[in-house]
Amino acid sequence: NAGVTQTPKFQVLKTGQSMTLQCAQDMNHEYMSWYRQDPGMGLRLIHYSVGAGITDQGEVPNGYNVSRSTTEDFPLRLLSAAPSQTSVYFCASSLAKFYEQYFGPGTRLTVT
Amino acid sequence: SQQGEEDPQALSIQEGENATMNCSYKTSINNLQWYRQNSGRGLVHLILIRSNEREKHSGRLRVTLDTSKKSSSLLITASRAADTASYFCATDSGAGSYQLTFGKGTKLSVIP
Repeated sequence: NAGVTQTPKFQVLKTGQSMTLQCAQDMNHEYMSWYRQDPGMGLRLIHYSVGAGITDQGEVPNGYNVSRSTTEDFPLRLLSAAPSQTSVYFCASSLAKFYEQYFGPGTRLTVT
Repeated sequence: SQQGEEDPQALSIQEGENATMNCSYKTSINNLQWYRQNSGRGLVHLILIRSNEREKHSGRLRVTLDTSKKSSSLLITASRAADTASYFCATDSGAGSYQLTFGKGTKLSVIP
């Protein structure tokens, strides 16, 4: 099993550009989520999904969209990048609610 | 808002010593989880303790949970240089919640 994979590993965007961060898991997990990690802030939940076709907002959803068309994939879209979105983004999956989460290696995003 | 808060923010010990980190939270939980993050990497699940459990062990790790005080502690015994990492607690917000909330973490440095 590859576990949770994320692409790209690094990305630099200019303000106003859009992009999609990819996340995939091969463990048949129902629950997937996106977090951002900023220095001194810990991890903050952006969006999550409890199954294909079902998504909901987390703590900091503004500026981000998600969709979940398959169990395996959970892409995160930045609609119009802003410098405040410079961060490290982690995708995670778990078998069910409140179970242990498996994290991807992260995407380091810089918006100039 | 932060559900879990770790204490201390940073901890530096000699190899072979024990390390204790604490986590406090605000509302009732179903379970509490501890994760480790090595620099620049994704988080790795260490241990999950349910609200009806008081203590749990895994190798050199010992976790306690005191629901009356809304607090948990993570003890790493006989620390090694490889234990150098940031440690996070994660909590849910009770029965109706799908979200895990992470604290800001404790940065542990183990000096050889």
